[in-house]
Amino acid sequence: GAVVSQHPSWVICKSGTSVKIECRSLDFQATTMFWYRQFPKQSLMLMATSNEGSKATYEQGVEKDKFLINHASLTLSTLTVTSAHPEDSSFYICSATPFLGSYNEQFFGPGTRLTVL
Amino acid sequence: DAKTTQPPSMDCAEGRAANLPCNHSTISGNEYVYWYRQIHSQGPQYIIHGLKNNETNEMASLIITEDRKSSTLILPHATLRDTAVYYCIVSDPNDYKLSFGAGTTVTVRA
Repeated sequence: GAVVSQHPSWVICKSGTSVKIECRSLDFQATTMFWYRQFPKQSLMLMATSNEGSKATYEQGVEKDKFLINHASLTLSTLTVTSAHPEDSSFYICSATPFLGSYNEQFFGPGTRLTVL
Repeated sequence: DAKTTQPPSMDCAEGRAANLPCNHSTISGNEYVYWYRQIHSQGPQYIIHGLKNNETNEMASLIITEDRKSSTLILPHATLRDTAVYYCIVSDPNDYKLSFGAGTTVTVRA
């Protein structure tokens, strides 16, 4: 099946620094990638949708200047958490979909656990 | 507003079938029913999806009622590795958006 990787799998950083998380589709081209955030014991919350070569679409309440998304190629999207603070500590998960067809089966990465000290 | 309603938790005996219900009474005609699961500290995994016909794959079966207001995911022979949170999602495929609710925490016991 289609594989999506994320790097790093976990990261610890100091407050005020920026962190970049990579999401790669390893064996398919992803026209669309999604970024989710999941706090402990909560469900996934969609943060933004990114299409290759265009600006990301952010969900209501997500600061686009804080969470920078770049979908530079059909296999790579990056999420940069700028000036991270402890409240940004969370599990960040990306997903990718290769299809433009009648269904949206998404393939998820393993997630990146961010801890901001 | 949540589009689906699922029981918060359920237990299942290893080797037995697990039947996971989902209510989606406000589903619209072009929305599909998707099932995903999330094993602890991992990304979600796609299981199955359907529009109105029953579907089966190597992981599970999906039974959708004729009025499409509810569905049941069936894991035919649950194993300990099936312990996870199962999410029932209705979505218009043209949106590509999946809205995850609270899901059902399924615990398979030996």
